Amino acid sequence: AQTVTQSQPEMSVQEAETVTLSCTYDTSESNYYLFWYKQPPSRQMILVIRQEAYKQQNATENRFSVNFQKAAKSFSLKISDSQLGDTAMYFCRNNFGNEKLTFGTGTRLTIIP
Amino acid sequence: DTGVSQDPRHKITKRGQNVTFRCDPISEHNRLYWYRQTLGQGPEFLTYFQNEAQLEKSRLLSDRFSAERPKGSFSTLEIQRTEQGDSAMYLCASSFHDTEAFFGQGTRLTVV
Repeated sequence: AQTVTQSQPEMSVQEAETVTLSCTYDTSESNYYLFWYKQPPSRQMILVIRQEAYKQQNATENRFSVNFQKAAKSFSLKISDSQLGDTAMYFCRNNFGNEKLTFGTGTRLTIIP
Repeated sequence: DTGVSQDPRHKITKRGQNVTFRCDPISEHNRLYWYRQTLGQGPEFLTYFQNEAQLEKSRLLSDRFSAERPKGSFSTLEIQRTEQGDSAMYLCASSFHDTEAFFGQGTRLTVV
């Protein structure tokens, strides 16, 4: 089965600190995308960052970066200089081949002022 | 606004009634997805389309649920004979092939 696992149901960190959210996955595909989505409380799901499996370079978007370890099937999200607006549910998501785009169970991140 | 649009944003219905939701994807996107999300949980896949073809439907999806995308553009999700357990947020997303999907704001269904 092709799955996505997030092992941290909740995390909290002080404002301005760095936090890393974990995601592991399992697939037999060789080429695929991985995504991190953010869902603030009662708000829309938005894309944070994506990683293409064939690229060795880790994706970066401003304060957000990934640590993609293809051999280990790990795809963690690092948020630097965390801000109050980063408080949200974070979901890791795959697109393995023609799969239906499975979400992980999510990590609830709280940024403490 | 050229994002994914869902209508209505909120729907309250009595148990046993039928409801229909609409999703307008980003215009050049060929894939369209429906998810259901309950409070504190991740989105649960319901079904997805590539153009007008429904390629996959969750085995967890009751026969009371049906979705269409007749011309490969907008899509509708119908729930017949609603039950209280159908109360949830229904999310629509679209993508260009298997790249990143963009989500609408969702339709919140409350069955009373």
